[in-house]
Order: sequence, then C-alpha cells, then structure tokens
Amino acid sequence: DVKVTQSSRYLVKRTGEKVFLECVQDMDHENMFWYRQDPGLGLRLIYFSYDVKMKEKGDIPEGYSVSREKKERFSLILESASTNQTSMYLCASSLVPNTEAFFGQGTRLTVV
Amino acid sequence: EDQVTQSPEALRLQEGESSSLNCSYTVSGLRGLFWYRQDPGKGPEFLFTLYSAGEEKEKERLKATLTKKESFLHITAPKPEDSATYLCAEPQAAGNKLTFGGGTRVLVKP
Repeated sequence: DVKVTQSSRYLVKRTGEKVFLECVQDMDHENMFWYRQDPGLGLRLIYFSYDVKMKEKGDIPEGYSVSREKKERFSLILESASTNQTSMYLCASSLVPNTEAFFGQGTRLTVV
Repeated sequence: EDQVTQSPEALRLQEGESSSLNCSYTVSGLRGLFWYRQDPGKGPEFLFTLYSAGEEKEKERLKATLTKKESFLHITAPKPEDSATYLCAEPQAAGNKLTFGGGTRVLVKP
C-alpha cells in the first residue's frame, strides 16, 4: 500500500512565524503535491514537484515555497504565516502523470 | 480552463436507499477520472480510476461508471459507514495537475 505521511496532524503557529510542513512518501513516486482545502473552496493546488529539485506553481502559490531535496520528501514552507493561511493542508503523490494521487492524512494549521 | 462539476452538493439517504452521484467534466480527450472518499478531518482516500467510456469499477457497495461526458458513483443499499464526502478528479491537459470537483457530502441515516 502507498503511504504518504505528513509530519503533524495539528499545528498552531503565530502570525509572522516561518512554518515548515513535511511530507514523506514510501512508493518511489515521481510526483508530489501540496493542496489546501477550505470549506466552500474545495481542494486548491499550491505547488507540485515532478522530480527532485524541480517544482512548479499551482493555482495559489503566493505566500508559500517548497523544497524537494530527496525523491521521497516534499516540504511546504510558509515564509511568514498569516491568519488567512489557516487551513487544512494535504500532501499527495502519484507515480507518473495522469495516474491517481494518494493523499496523506492532512495537517490542520491554525495561525493566530 | 478544465472544469469538473459534481452534483448534488449534499445527499441525505436512509440506510438501504440506493442513489447515484454525478461528476461531469469539460476536458476534451479524457486522461482518466478518479474517485475519492474523504472523511471529516482526514485526507482523501483513493477509490477508483476509470480511463475509457463504458468502463465500470466496483468496491463493496460502490460502483463507478464512465461515459464520454460524465461519471457516476452508484451507492447500493448504503450503510451509515458510507457517510462521507465523495470527490472526483480529472488530470488537466497541461502538466501533472488534477482538477477536483467540489464534492458530494453523503449522509446515510440508520
């Protein structure tokens, strides 16, 4: 079974803090994704990566950056957290393009 | 721009009352259609992939079907544990990205 593991289930951070969300997958997948999910807005893609050190912006990249130094690990960075970044963050991976993505359990981030 | 639309937004069913959820898409040249189940506070759980019109996949009380314009998720004789949000998604024409529908919230009452 594919396993995608996110480092935290719940996080509370202060406005202005730098926040790191970590994600690890164990199936040697090429593609990794970061989404955020908000009520009424659905799943929105922040960034994705199709190879080590490669990244592409998704639909809402502003205020975020990512890092992929190893194939199995994809990090999302909030450079200076703001209250409008309070959300559920979901990491996913897929083997190759146009195949199903598998999701982690999610990180509920609250910025106060 | 690619669009995926799900209906209805919410569905309340009695236990045993079968129903269907709809997922319609506007992308030309289907590259796959994916169904997920999401429980509150958790990440989406992959259910099915469909690639060609006429294809069907089944898992317990769920059956997914695909036409050229839309996909259906049929829930047969649902139980309360089938209560969840069901999402469909389709790969975009450009790049590796998935476009998700807004989901259908299903509540099955005993």
